[in-house]
Amino acid sequence: DAKTTQPPSMDCAEGRAANLPCNHSTISGNEYVYWYRQIHSQGPQYIIHGLKNNETNEMASLIITEDRKSSTLILPHATLRDTAVYYCIDPTDSNYQLIWGAGTKLIIKP
Amino acid sequence: DADVTQTPRNRITKTGKRIMLECSQTKGHDRMYWYRQDPGLGLRLIYYSFDVKDINKGEISDGYSVSRQAQAKFSLSLESAIPNQTALYFCATSGPGTGNTGELFFGEGSRLTVL
Repeated sequence: DAKTTQPPSMDCAEGRAANLPCNHSTISGNEYVYWYRQIHSQGPQYIIHGLKNNETNEMASLIITEDRKSSTLILPHATLRDTAVYYCIDPTDSNYQLIWGAGTKLIIKP
Repeated sequence: DADVTQTPRNRITKTGKRIMLECSQTKGHDRMYWYRQDPGLGLRLIYYSFDVKDINKGEISDGYSVSRQAQAKFSLSLESAIPNQTALYFCATSGPGTGNTGELFFGEGSRLTVL
């Protein structure tokens, strides 16, 4: 089973920041948190990952709490094309293979 | 052209038939993976390979087999397809330069229907 917990769905207005939460309360000290998204039934797309510090790239920002038990993915100016299922993943086995939950279905509304 | 290419993209077959899904990549990655996705669910790992001579079972390997013919090619076989193997199948790669094993690059998927 996935080790992360995400809300099943969220809405966000176009042009606003979309904030997607994730709980990973059992994460160990050396495990990264990864975020992916899947648009319709396309192949998932890597967004960002982090360990302790907040991270930012051209797609999104990742805010990780100091105790590392939760994180938030931020899409700063959501567009209709950001409508997708967003997965927060904590590698869980000895080979660091990703275990995927059901994710959060984010709908961006005009 | 896509960096990770899956063929066929869509396939309808009958129970008991042998099916092969193929994956090729031009990213030069050493690690390749096969995942399965059922409607409304996340991906589940079937098999993975860290190099040509390495094959590892994932979470749901029963009823499937794989072959790593070359660094760039990884195929998934269903020896005798059954209806509950109807799903969307994804191939993925990772490797040096991605920074870690968690940054995967996916193909566009192969939709398999077993009647």
